Amino acid sequence: AQKVTQAQTEISVVEKEDVTLDCVYETRDTTYYLFWYKQPPSGELVFLIRRNSFDEQNEISGRYSWNFQKSTSSFNFTITASQVVDSAVYFCALSVRGKSTFGDGTTLTVKP
Amino acid sequence: GAVVSQHPSWVICKSGTSVKIECRSLDFQATTMFWYRQFPKQSLMLMATSNEGSKATYEQGVEKDKFLINHASLTLSTLTVTSAHPEDSSFYICSASPPEGKADTQYFGPGTRLTVL
Repeated sequence: AQKVTQAQTEISVVEKEDVTLDCVYETRDTTYYLFWYKQPPSGELVFLIRRNSFDEQNEISGRYSWNFQKSTSSFNFTITASQVVDSAVYFCALSVRGKSTFGDGTTLTVKP
Repeated sequence: GAVVSQHPSWVICKSGTSVKIECRSLDFQATTMFWYRQFPKQSLMLMATSNEGSKATYEQGVEKDKFLINHASLTLSTLTVTSAHPEDSSFYICSASPPEGKADTQYFGPGTRLTVL
């Protein structure tokens, strides 16, 4: 069975602070994919990143960066210089053979 | 990127009625579509996997006779909530996977908010 744990239920930061959202996953499969999604108040999921299990290279996209470590089964997401528009619920997801399991989400509030 | 639409975006119905939600892949053919349910302040829970031309596969605990799924074409899947009750009120989200391209990638629809009175 697959499991995704996002230990941080809610995080509140002040604008321009850096913030890291944690994600720990469990699977016995050697081939899997990891995702991060953003869900603003409108409800529509916004795809942020996809990573396969064989690619541990970290990635940076603008203010966003992701740290994938298979040794600790973690796929953490960092927002640098946070902005109010970053306020949303962020979901980490694990996909194995096409079937996705989502974490419980982390609600990020960025205050001006 | 690939676009998935859902209709309606929100619906209010009386208890005991049936509600149909459509999920369409607008610019690609989707051999597989997924239906999720999300209760307020909770995560997305997979309800069923729908493959074109075959019966849907339901997750444990999801009543297949209550949540009817039809995937009649490569661009359309429908979810019908039969005899809806207030506890069925939720945010229903579909996603679609293209037959080729990046494996395990799902394109999500904007969701349908169902309120049963």
